[in-house]
Amino acid sequence: AQTVTQSQPEMSVQEAETVTLSCTYDTSESDYYLFWYKQPPSRQMILVIRQEAYKQQNATENRFSVNFQKAAKSFSLKISDSQLGDAAMYFCAYRKHNNNDMRFGAGTRLTVKP
Amino acid sequence: DAGVIQSPRHEVTEMGQEVTLRCKPISGHNSLFWYRQTMMRGLELLIYFNNNVPIDDSGMPEDRFSAKMPNASFSTLKIQPSEPRDSAVYFCASSFSGNQETQYFGPGTRLLVL
Repeated sequence: AQTVTQSQPEMSVQEAETVTLSCTYDTSESDYYLFWYKQPPSRQMILVIRQEAYKQQNATENRFSVNFQKAAKSFSLKISDSQLGDAAMYFCAYRKHNNNDMRFGAGTRLTVKP
Repeated sequence: DAGVIQSPRHEVTEMGQEVTLRCKPISGHNSLFWYRQTMMRGLELLIYFNNNVPIDDSGMPEDRFSAKMPNASFSTLKIQPSEPRDSAVYFCASSFSGNQETQYFGPGTRLLVL
């Protein structure tokens, strides 16, 4: 069974600094997708970034980037120039190719200090 | 695009009552998902539909839960009878095959069963 582990229940970062959120996953598949979702206090689940396992290049979306290490089954999220609006719960998620069953980690609560 | 629409946003009911949650997926999306989020269990996939057909309902807790998708633009999740342990945030998400099947979430329905 595929599992997603986020080992950091809480993280804190100073405004304008950089923070990295960790995620590891367990799978025997070679083709899959990985996601980071953000859940602010409004509870809305917002897609932050997506990575296809067959792509070696790390995905980037503005201030958000990932470090995808396929062999290590690691998928960390780096937030640069942190802003107060980045404060939220962040969920790492895994989905096997051609399978709609998406597995979520337990989440990391990010606090941004002004 | 209005995104995924869910109603109601909040629901308070008494144990034993029937609860119906509603979802309108993003127009053109052909997959729809129902999730439940609790502190204890995190995000769990309850059921998903592909082209209005239920594909996997193994996550549905028990017979008190049922879901329907009568057409491509509407789905319901019904709990009958409701119990206090059903209290959670219920999310609906939709995706379109071909867009790496990224799931886009609705705002959620916060359910409290007294």
